[in-house]
Amino acid sequence: DIQMTQSPSSLSASVGDTVTITCRASQSISWHLNWYQQKPGKAPKLLISAASNLQRGVPSRFSGSGSGTDFTLTIRGLQPEDYATYYCQQSYTSWTFGQGTKVDIK
Amino acid sequence: EVQLVQSGAEVKEPGTTVKISCKVSGYSVTDYQMHWVQQAPGKGLEWMGLLDPEGGKAIYAENFQGRVTITADTSTDTVFLELSGLRSEDTALYYCATPHESNHFDYWGQGTLVTVSS
Repeated sequence: DIQMTQSPSSLSASVGDTVTITCRASQSISWHLNWYQQKPGKAPKLLISAASNLQRGVPSRFSGSGSGTDFTLTIRGLQPEDYATYYCQQSYTSWTFGQGTKVDIK
Repeated sequence: EVQLVQSGAEVKEPGTTVKISCKVSGYSVTDYQMHWVQQAPGKGLEWMGLLDPEGGKAIYAENFQGRVTITADTSTDTVFLELSGLRSEDTALYYCATPHESNHFDYWGQGTLVTVSS
Protein backbone atom coordinates (compact mmCIF):
# COMPACT_ATOMS: atom_id res chain seq x y z
CA ASP A 1 0.00 0.00 0.00
CA ILE A 2 1.14 3.53 -0.72
CA GLN A 3 1.55 5.63 2.42
CA MET A 4 1.14 9.39 2.38
CA THR A 5 2.93 11.56 4.94
CA GLN A 6 2.04 15.20 5.39
CA SER A 7 4.04 17.81 7.22
CA PRO A 8 3.59 19.63 9.39
CA SER A 9 0.61 18.09 11.19
CA SER A 10 -0.43 21.54 12.30
CA LEU A 11 0.71 25.12 11.89
CA SER A 12 -0.25 28.56 13.06
CA ALA A 13 -0.26 31.43 10.62
CA SER A 14 -1.51 34.99 10.34
CA VAL A 15 -3.79 36.48 7.72
CA GLY A 16 -1.69 37.43 4.74
CA ASP A 17 1.00 34.83 5.37
CA THR A 18 2.21 32.32 2.82
CA VAL A 19 1.64 28.76 4.00
CA THR A 20 3.31 25.66 2.61
CA ILE A 21 2.20 22.11 3.30
CA THR A 22 4.15 19.15 2.03
CA CYS A 23 3.04 15.63 1.20
CA ARG A 24 5.36 12.72 0.57
CA ALA A 25 4.40 9.39 -0.98
CA SER A 26 6.08 6.14 -0.01
CA GLN A 27 6.63 5.40 -3.71
CA SER A 28 6.30 7.31 -6.94
CA ILE A 29 2.73 8.30 -7.77
CA SER A 30 3.60 10.42 -10.82
CA TRP A 31 1.17 13.37 -10.70
CA HIS A 32 -1.75 11.47 -9.15
CA LEU A 33 -2.02 13.71 -6.11
CA ASN A 34 -5.07 15.66 -4.96
CA TRP A 35 -5.59 18.24 -2.21
CA TYR A 36 -8.75 18.73 -0.13
CA GLN A 37 -9.81 21.33 2.39
CA GLN A 38 -12.05 20.38 5.31
CA LYS A 39 -13.70 22.79 7.69
CA PRO A 40 -15.21 21.66 11.01
CA GLY A 41 -18.50 19.84 10.56
CA LYS A 42 -18.22 19.84 6.78
CA ALA A 43 -17.32 17.35 4.11
CA PRO A 44 -13.93 17.73 2.44
CA LYS A 45 -13.78 19.97 -0.61
CA LEU A 46 -11.53 19.29 -3.58
CA LEU A 47 -9.07 22.12 -4.16
CA ILE A 48 -6.46 20.75 -6.51
CA SER A 49 -6.31 17.62 -8.66
CA ALA A 50 -3.45 15.99 -10.53
CA ALA A 51 -0.88 17.81 -8.37
CA SER A 52 -1.45 21.28 -9.81
CA ASN A 53 -4.89 21.63 -11.41
CA LEU A 54 -6.86 24.23 -9.52
CA GLN A 55 -10.53 23.36 -9.38
CA ARG A 56 -13.13 25.75 -10.74
CA GLY A 57 -14.07 28.35 -8.18
CA VAL A 58 -11.03 27.82 -5.96
CA PRO A 59 -9.14 31.07 -5.38
CA SER A 60 -5.86 31.49 -7.22
CA ARG A 61 -3.99 31.98 -3.92
CA PHE A 62 -4.01 28.19 -3.72
CA SER A 63 -1.46 26.33 -5.80
CA GLY A 64 -0.01 22.85 -5.97
CA SER A 65 3.22 21.46 -7.31
CA GLY A 66 5.32 18.33 -7.40
CA SER A 67 5.53 14.94 -9.00
CA GLY A 68 6.87 11.53 -8.17
CA THR A 69 6.99 11.37 -4.39
CA ASP A 70 7.12 14.98 -3.19
CA PHE A 71 4.28 17.48 -3.41
CA THR A 72 3.45 20.91 -2.05
CA LEU A 73 0.30 22.89 -1.39
CA THR A 74 0.93 26.63 -1.11
CA ILE A 75 -1.50 29.27 0.08
CA ARG A 76 -0.30 32.77 -0.72
CA GLY A 77 -1.95 35.54 1.26
CA LEU A 78 -3.83 33.42 3.81
CA GLN A 79 -7.42 34.55 4.31
CA PRO A 80 -9.68 34.01 7.35
CA GLU A 81 -11.75 31.47 5.43
CA ASP A 82 -8.64 29.36 4.79
CA TYR A 83 -8.33 28.22 8.39
CA ALA A 84 -9.09 24.54 7.99
CA THR A 85 -7.52 21.10 7.77
CA TYR A 86 -5.89 20.13 4.50
CA TYR A 87 -5.46 16.57 3.23
CA CYS A 88 -3.47 15.18 0.36
CA GLN A 89 -4.70 12.05 -1.41
CA GLN A 90 -2.96 9.74 -3.84
CA SER A 91 -5.06 8.18 -6.59
CA TYR A 92 -2.29 6.31 -8.40
CA THR A 93 -2.99 2.92 -6.87
CA SER A 94 -6.21 2.70 -4.91
CA TRP A 95 -6.73 5.82 -2.79
CA THR A 96 -4.87 6.92 0.33
CA PHE A 97 -5.08 10.14 2.31
CA GLY A 98 -2.38 11.89 4.26
CA GLN A 99 -3.00 12.40 7.96
CA GLY A 100 -3.96 16.04 7.51
CA THR A 101 -2.50 19.45 8.32
CA LYS A 102 -4.49 21.78 10.52
CA VAL A 103 -4.01 25.46 9.77
CA ASP A 104 -5.08 27.70 12.61
CA ILE A 105 -4.86 31.32 13.61
CA LYS A 106 -1.63 32.66 15.03
CA GLU B 1 -26.84 19.87 -10.15
CA VAL B 2 -25.08 16.89 -8.60
CA GLN B 3 -26.09 16.16 -5.01
CA LEU B 4 -25.29 13.31 -2.65
CA VAL B 5 -27.67 13.09 0.32
CA GLN B 6 -26.86 10.61 3.04
CA SER B 7 -29.13 8.95 5.59
CA GLY B 8 -29.31 10.09 9.18
CA ALA B 9 -27.23 9.30 12.24
CA GLU B 10 -27.26 5.78 13.67
CA VAL B 11 -26.57 4.38 17.12
CA LYS B 12 -25.66 0.71 17.16
CA GLU B 13 -24.57 -1.83 19.72
CA PRO B 14 -21.23 -3.60 19.40
CA GLY B 15 -21.34 -6.69 17.19
CA THR B 16 -24.30 -5.52 15.13
CA THR B 17 -24.52 -4.28 11.54
CA VAL B 18 -25.26 -0.82 10.19
CA LYS B 19 -26.42 0.06 6.70
CA ILE B 20 -26.32 3.67 5.58
CA SER B 21 -27.35 5.19 2.29
CA CYS B 22 -26.27 7.84 -0.17
CA LYS B 23 -28.92 9.02 -2.60
CA VAL B 24 -27.64 10.82 -5.66
CA SER B 25 -29.35 13.33 -7.88
CA GLY B 26 -28.20 15.09 -11.00
CA TYR B 27 -26.79 11.90 -12.47
CA SER B 28 -27.29 8.13 -12.39
CA VAL B 29 -25.39 5.79 -10.05
CA THR B 30 -24.70 3.66 -13.11
CA ASP B 31 -22.55 6.44 -14.60
CA TYR B 32 -19.80 6.92 -12.02
CA GLN B 33 -18.01 5.14 -9.19
CA MET B 34 -19.13 5.71 -5.62
CA HIS B 35 -16.59 5.64 -2.81
CA TRP B 36 -16.94 5.58 0.97
CA VAL B 37 -14.59 7.33 3.39
CA GLN B 38 -14.41 6.96 7.17
CA GLN B 39 -13.46 9.74 9.56
CA ALA B 40 -13.19 8.86 13.24
CA PRO B 41 -13.74 11.70 15.71
CA GLY B 42 -10.86 14.16 15.53
CA LYS B 43 -9.03 11.93 13.05
CA GLY B 44 -8.18 11.91 9.38
CA LEU B 45 -9.80 10.40 6.31
CA GLU B 46 -9.61 6.71 5.48
CA TRP B 47 -10.74 5.23 2.19
CA MET B 48 -13.01 2.22 2.71
CA GLY B 49 -13.98 1.05 -0.74
CA LEU B 50 -15.84 1.73 -3.92
CA LEU B 51 -18.61 0.48 -6.16
CA ASP B 52 -17.71 0.44 -9.82
CA PRO B 53 -20.76 0.79 -12.05
CA GLU B 54 -19.04 -1.20 -14.78
CA GLY B 55 -20.11 -4.69 -13.83
CA GLY B 56 -21.29 -3.59 -10.41
CA LYS B 57 -18.03 -4.69 -8.82
CA ALA B 58 -17.06 -3.54 -5.34
CA ILE B 59 -13.47 -3.10 -4.20
CA TYR B 60 -12.66 -2.80 -0.51
CA ALA B 61 -9.71 -1.48 1.43
CA GLU B 62 -7.72 -4.14 3.23
CA ASN B 63 -8.56 -2.65 6.63
CA PHE B 64 -12.26 -3.21 6.06
CA GLN B 65 -12.19 -6.37 3.95
CA GLY B 66 -14.64 -8.95 5.24
CA ARG B 67 -16.74 -6.45 7.19
CA VAL B 68 -17.87 -3.98 4.56
CA THR B 69 -20.31 -4.34 1.68
CA ILE B 70 -21.13 -1.65 -0.86
CA THR B 71 -24.20 -2.07 -3.03
CA ALA B 72 -26.55 0.04 -5.10
CA ASP B 73 -30.22 0.26 -5.97
CA THR B 74 -30.22 1.63 -9.47
CA SER B 75 -34.00 2.15 -9.42
CA THR B 76 -33.62 4.80 -6.73
CA ASP B 77 -30.09 5.97 -7.55
CA THR B 78 -28.98 5.07 -4.05
CA VAL B 79 -25.72 3.51 -2.89
CA PHE B 80 -25.42 1.67 0.41
CA LEU B 81 -22.59 0.99 2.84
CA GLU B 82 -23.03 -1.94 5.19
CA LEU B 83 -20.54 -2.46 8.00
CA SER B 84 -20.79 -5.54 10.17
CA GLY B 85 -19.24 -6.69 13.43
CA LEU B 86 -19.34 -3.14 14.74
CA ARG B 87 -16.89 -2.16 17.46
CA SER B 88 -16.29 1.07 19.31
CA GLU B 89 -13.51 2.01 16.87
CA ASP B 90 -16.11 2.16 14.09
CA THR B 91 -17.68 5.21 15.71
CA ALA B 92 -17.12 7.74 12.97
CA LEU B 93 -18.51 9.92 10.25
CA TYR B 94 -18.96 8.06 6.99
CA TYR B 95 -18.90 9.99 3.73
CA CYS B 96 -19.88 8.92 0.23
CA ALA B 97 -17.91 10.60 -2.52
CA THR B 98 -17.85 10.31 -6.27
CA PRO B 99 -15.26 11.09 -8.94
CA HIS B 100 -16.76 12.55 -12.10
CA GLU B 101 -13.51 13.63 -13.67
CA SER B 102 -10.54 11.30 -13.44
CA ASN B 103 -9.71 9.83 -10.03
CA HIS B 104 -10.37 12.60 -7.56
CA PHE B 105 -13.49 13.04 -5.46
CA ASP B 106 -15.44 15.92 -6.97
CA TYR B 107 -18.63 15.50 -4.98
CA TRP B 108 -19.24 14.46 -1.37
CA GLY B 109 -22.23 13.62 0.76
CA GLN B 110 -22.80 15.50 4.00
CA GLY B 111 -21.67 12.57 6.12
CA THR B 112 -23.48 10.09 8.37
CA LEU B 113 -22.47 9.70 12.01
CA VAL B 114 -22.44 6.14 13.27
CA THR B 115 -22.03 5.70 17.01
CA VAL B 116 -21.21 2.27 18.37
CA SER B 117 -22.05 2.00 22.04
CA SER B 118 -23.58 -0.46 24.44
